[in-house]
Amino acid sequence: DGGITQSPKYLFRKEGQNVTLSCEQNLNHDAMYWYRQDPGQGLRLIYYSQIVNDFQKGDIAEGYSVSREKKESFPLTVTSAQKNPTAFYLCASSIGLAGDNEQFFGPGTRLTVL
Amino acid sequence: AQTVTQSQPEMSVQEAETVTLSCTYDTSESDYYLFWYKQPPSRQMILVIRQEAYKQQNATENRFSVNFQKAAKSFSLKISDSQLGDAAMYFCAYALFGNEKLTFGTGTRLTIIP
Repeated sequence: DGGITQSPKYLFRKEGQNVTLSCEQNLNHDAMYWYRQDPGQGLRLIYYSQIVNDFQKGDIAEGYSVSREKKESFPLTVTSAQKNPTAFYLCASSIGLAGDNEQFFGPGTRLTVL
Repeated sequence: AQTVTQSQPEMSVQEAETVTLSCTYDTSESDYYLFWYKQPPSRQMILVIRQEAYKQQNATENRFSVNFQKAAKSFSLKISDSQLGDAAMYFCAYALFGNEKLTFGTGTRLTIIP
């Protein structure tokens, strides 16, 4: 089955630690995205990538980093510089640009900072 | 900057009845796309319906339809014959033509009353 997988489903980290969230897709999509979701707010774009080895900052990139070494993988690192990292993180992908093409979402990762 | 506003944090409807969720947006552009996404308790985002701004005809997908008023910058979602499985958070989203970024509203939580 084609789709997007995110792991782990739940993640706990101590303050001051970096943590990496995994996102893999087998849809052969060029574009991939990371969103953050907080209670009472819509999704906010952290980073996106249109092609391998290229990515762009979204609205709330501070304290986060990404890489895109393979077409199917777009991991997100939450660094210790992120002031309030506890949130639900969603990864998505699309064939091309978001406006022209549907974004497909993964099941998400719930990150809790202890 | 584009903004998307959903003024109804929560809505409820009796099973088999019809409900309308509101969405307004602000943009100075003429070519764009509008979306309604559903997020059930599993938290995986699912595209419900999409509207291209250049199309005057309102989009329809089975029991879901939209009322797109371009001049008023309004994009409401009508769900007919509501079913228990329709219970979810519903997000309205906007994307500029040729742009990677989706801008989301804050969501409306829909409850279906049996």
